[in-house]
Amino acid sequence: EPEVTQTPSHQVTQMGQEVILRCVPISNHLYFYWYRQILGQKVEFLVSFYNNEISEKSEIFDDQFSVERPDGSNFTLKIRSTKLEDSAMYFCASRVSGLASETQYFGPGTRLLVL
Amino acid sequence: AQSVTQPDIHITVSEGASLELRCNYSYGATPYLFWYVQSPGQGLQLLLKYFSGDTLVQGIKGFEAEFKRSQSSFNLRKPSVHWSDAAEYFCAVVARNQGGKLIFGQGTELSVKP
Repeated sequence: EPEVTQTPSHQVTQMGQEVILRCVPISNHLYFYWYRQILGQKVEFLVSFYNNEISEKSEIFDDQFSVERPDGSNFTLKIRSTKLEDSAMYFCASRVSGLASETQYFGPGTRLLVL
Repeated sequence: AQSVTQPDIHITVSEGASLELRCNYSYGATPYLFWYVQSPGQGLQLLLKYFSGDTLVQGIKGFEAEFKRSQSSFNLRKPSVHWSDAAEYFCAVVARNQGGKLIFGQGTELSVKP
């Protein structure tokens, strides 16, 4: 069964450093998402992406964040200058169409720790 | 604004006992509702979803959920819990704008005792 993959599974970085989190969505999916889950808190939406542009972004997704689909298969989340509060589990998700009833399939997540 | 509430942060049940996890939503129209499960160190796996039709929906791993519009609820149930069901469970509603983001509840952590 096709699945969403994410790399790396864990990343430790120093505050102020740039990180890039990578995702490979399911191949025929057209809508892509990033969510994050700070330890002990709920899963929060960050950004949605369709047709090579951002569809929607949350208040969390400020100028330090960017997303890209560089090569038609990967979907990346870049944090330009990490802060301590960026420490979280980051999930990528994808779905085949824009229909609200369509399931979003999640990757296993990247656990980011900012020191 | 759309929101989802899971009133129980942590529930412990005995193996073989029945389970009900509560979920309440706030949404202006008929919502599309989902239950996801997150096992330790794993991603989010869809258990079941509701978007129309029969208000009792069946999912994977023996789970079911019932949509009750009058109570704004979408509670998850299982008649007999297995030790492998220990995990965190998230209820979510999908926004029907173009982006279609999921709005999650706080999650309920399920522990299963032998």
